[in-house]
Amino acid sequence: AQSVTQLDSHVSVSEGTPVLLRCNYSSSYSPSLFWYVQHPNKGLQLLLKYTSAATLVKGINGFEAEFKKSETSFHLTKPSAHMSDAAEYFCVVSETGGSYIPTFGRGTSLIVHP
Amino acid sequence: NAGVTQTPKFQVLKTGQSMTLQCAQDMNHNSMYWYRQDPGMGLRLIYYSASEGTTDKGEVPNGYNVSRLNKREFSLRLESAAPSQTSVYFCASSLFWGNYGYTFGSGTRLTVV
Repeated sequence: AQSVTQLDSHVSVSEGTPVLLRCNYSSSYSPSLFWYVQHPNKGLQLLLKYTSAATLVKGINGFEAEFKKSETSFHLTKPSAHMSDAAEYFCVVSETGGSYIPTFGRGTSLIVHP
Repeated sequence: NAGVTQTPKFQVLKTGQSMTLQCAQDMNHNSMYWYRQDPGMGLRLIYYSASEGTTDKGEVPNGYNVSRLNKREFSLRLESAAPSQTSVYFCASSLFWGNYGYTFGSGTRLTVV
């Protein structure tokens, strides 16, 4: 069985400061992990994905995430927040060798202050 | 622009009415999905089609039916709408079934009164 927990429902940062969105997962198989972003009234867009290659994954718009097996974490980071980063972010886990049906986290709302 | 197109974008139904949500993709993807999004719940899978000619239930299939009309199109039908089906519905597609990233449509906001 698989599950994903986004540890913060809301994260508030100032423009130009670092962003950290936290995600923990559990999986009976080797996991594939994804981060998606959803801007208001839009569909979800894939930011980045981990599928058992390099543990540090770089995505679009300056985001990156590190897969840490020992901590069962896949936190999303960005060195410097921009106003346009304000959105909802979803962490997703899918089991390689399992059903491949992904499980979505409940989302973290990123608020960026000027 | 290439991607996933959903129609309609907004719909209000009365309890008991039926409707079909349409979805089409032009990326030659093999797998397609229907999700619903409710506040604080993330996305939940309703039905999916791993490949043309196949459909399977997801996490919350009750009250819905689907049709994979061809490789491009995957429709979702509500036979007798209920207020509990008020939600935002997203269609998505992926190149193959498996750990590939999804491309999402822009959503259909459905209200059942």
